[in-house]
Amino acid sequence: EVQLMESGGGLVQPGGSLRLSCAASGFTFNWYWMSWVRQAPGKGLEWVANINQGGSEERYVNSVKGRFTISRDNARTSLFLQMNSLRPEDTAVYHCARIDISGSTFDYWGQGALVTVSS
Amino acid sequence: DIQMTQSPSSLSASVGDRVTITCRASQDISNHVAWFQQKPGKAPKSLIYAASSLQSGVPSKFSGSGSGTDFTLTISSLQPEDFATYYCQQFNGYSFTFGQGTKLEVK
Repeated sequence: EVQLMESGGGLVQPGGSLRLSCAASGFTFNWYWMSWVRQAPGKGLEWVANINQGGSEERYVNSVKGRFTISRDNARTSLFLQMNSLRPEDTAVYHCARIDISGSTFDYWGQGALVTVSS
Repeated sequence: DIQMTQSPSSLSASVGDRVTITCRASQDISNHVAWFQQKPGKAPKSLIYAASSLQSGVPSKFSGSGSGTDFTLTISSLQPEDFATYYCQQFNGYSFTFGQGTKLEVK
């Protein structure tokens, strides 16, 4: 059974940093692109970042470029999101998601980690 | 960036009804559209990929169609567990965007 479990969320002040982790199990982790998708309270879904199987290619939504860094550790079957210079508008539940083998959508999602940016 | 315009934003229906939700892309995206169901406090669930292919384990009452810029999700014979928020999603070869969501409520 595919499982994705996020951790590391919490309350942080504007301008602060936070690192999210996602522990993956139940599939061959290094076969898949992985992604982070967020959802602000009461709002819709927003794709944040992708990383390829080997970690050599990263893609970001414009609003987080230069502030967020996605990475992975295939030996530990884990995905990470380093978030710096956080803004109140980054407040959201952050979901780890597996990108399907076609590369065009998300087939499995974690329950998410809440990040709150507030003073 | 490609925008996905989803309509309606909310929809009231009764058990047993058939409903259709639409998404329009701001440019041609071939069949790179997926549909998700989300219930409050839960992760999204994949229903449809490649515009019309049903994800494994998803009942056949869910169907998708379309190509190019116009796409639809149809749910037949609504049951109580189908009342949720639905999102479309596109992929343009580099990035992903979602529609604004359709909240399907009990009439």
